[in-house]
Amino acid sequence: AQRVTQPEKLLSVFKGAPVELKCNYSYSGSPELFWYVQYSRQRLQLLLRHISRESIKGFTADLNKGETSFHLKKPFAQEEDSAMYYCALFPPTYYDKVIFGPGTSLSVIP
Amino acid sequence: KAGVTQTPRYLIKTRGQQVTLSCSPISGHRSVSWYQQTPGQGLQFLFEYFSETQRNKGNFPGRFSGRQFSNSRSEMNVSTLELGDSALYLCASSLGLAGAVETQYFGPGTRLLVL
Repeated sequence: AQRVTQPEKLLSVFKGAPVELKCNYSYSGSPELFWYVQYSRQRLQLLLRHISRESIKGFTADLNKGETSFHLKKPFAQEEDSAMYYCALFPPTYYDKVIFGPGTSLSVIP
Repeated sequence: KAGVTQTPRYLIKTRGQQVTLSCSPISGHRSVSWYQQTPGQGLQFLFEYFSETQRNKGNFPGRFSGRQFSNSRSEMNVSTLELGDSALYLCASSLGLAGAVETQYFGPGTRLLVL
């Protein structure tokens, strides 16, 4: 079955500590993986996508096709990183649907 | 550029009624996708429209339908409402079909409550 899992519903880290939000996917093909973020009272917005291999706000994510994972990492968490994070899978064809993970709520403790 | 707008922002309906939600994409964007967000099921893809044609559809019953107009504005309709349809309905627009290259921009959502 095609799915995206984010094992942690809630994640709390101290400011300055490293943070890793896990994302695993199941898909028979080569999907595109994304991370979306929703800050309090703001709209859902794209954080980064694996195809661009970029670092946004200090966050990076590496697609591991062997482990079918796309974990989001940041070496030093900041208070402003507190938000809801969603991992999303976009299929390579337009016959399959987009799948979002259940989300992880990150809380950075000052 | 103005962002994605959705109307109405809040809606209360009763079971059995029907509802129409509207989404205006960012100017120049031709793709509009709809999602349902609930605490239990999370974000679920409903459908995507591009150039007035439905290009992709999620696993929702036929009570959920949509359309896109020539100006790319989109409407979503839910007929014979059920209590379980209570959710936040999000609309997202992108220049082209949503995928690896195109960035989707989300609207604020319409919160529907079915009593």
